[in-house]
Amino acid sequence: EVQLLESGGNLVQPGGSLRLSCEASGFTFGYFAMGWVRQAPGKGLEWVSATDAGGTATYYLESVKGRFTISRDNSKNTLYLQMNSLRSEDTAVYFCAKRAPYCNSIFFGVDVWGLGTTVTVSS
Amino acid sequence: QSALTQPPSASGSPGQSVTISCTGTSSDVGGYNYVSWYQQYPGKAPKLMIYEVSKRPSGVPDRFSGSKSGNTASLIVSGLQAEDEADYYCSSYAGKYNVGVFGGGTTLTVL
Repeated sequence: EVQLLESGGNLVQPGGSLRLSCEASGFTFGYFAMGWVRQAPGKGLEWVSATDAGGTATYYLESVKGRFTISRDNSKNTLYLQMNSLRSEDTAVYFCAKRAPYCNSIFFGVDVWGLGTTVTVSS
Repeated sequence: QSALTQPPSASGSPGQSVTISCTGTSSDVGGYNYVSWYQQYPGKAPKLMIYEVSKRPSGVPDRFSGSKSGNTASLIVSGLQAEDEADYYCSSYAGKYNVGVFGGGTTLTVL
């Protein structure tokens, strides 16, 4: 069964840091672009970051550039999101996302989502 | 990277059809045929319903269809069923160096 399992969400003070992890199983992780999508409480979905299958090309939402870093370890089937200088507006559920195999870009379609991990930025 | 515009709500009776619009710009929806639609139930992860404007992943009922004209894409749900009551989000590719962009979401109510 194809699965994505996020971890690392927590309550953190403004200016603090967190590292999210997404462990993949049931598919060849190193073949697929992966990314992070967040959803603030009661709000819509928002692309945060994505990376290609090899981890060389990376993409970021403008408001997180310079603060968040996406990376992956294909030997461990794991995607990461290092989040620094966290702000209250980063409070959200963060979903891990996998490119659909029939799409050439993760932004064309996501076929597998994790259950999400909650990040709360508050003093 | 502005969000696409969707109506906050839509509704229809069982068996009827409903259309949800998604308006962007020539830099996203209008510039590419890479609009996708996701269904999300409260507290759950999204599910891909339509990709590349009008294609359906395996397992998605053919009651769901998509189209696009200019800067506006549409999701059409025909033969409404109770289980279609959910939030729907459109998403578009926004260019080679940008992350994709979502709409604000539409809550579909089956009356």
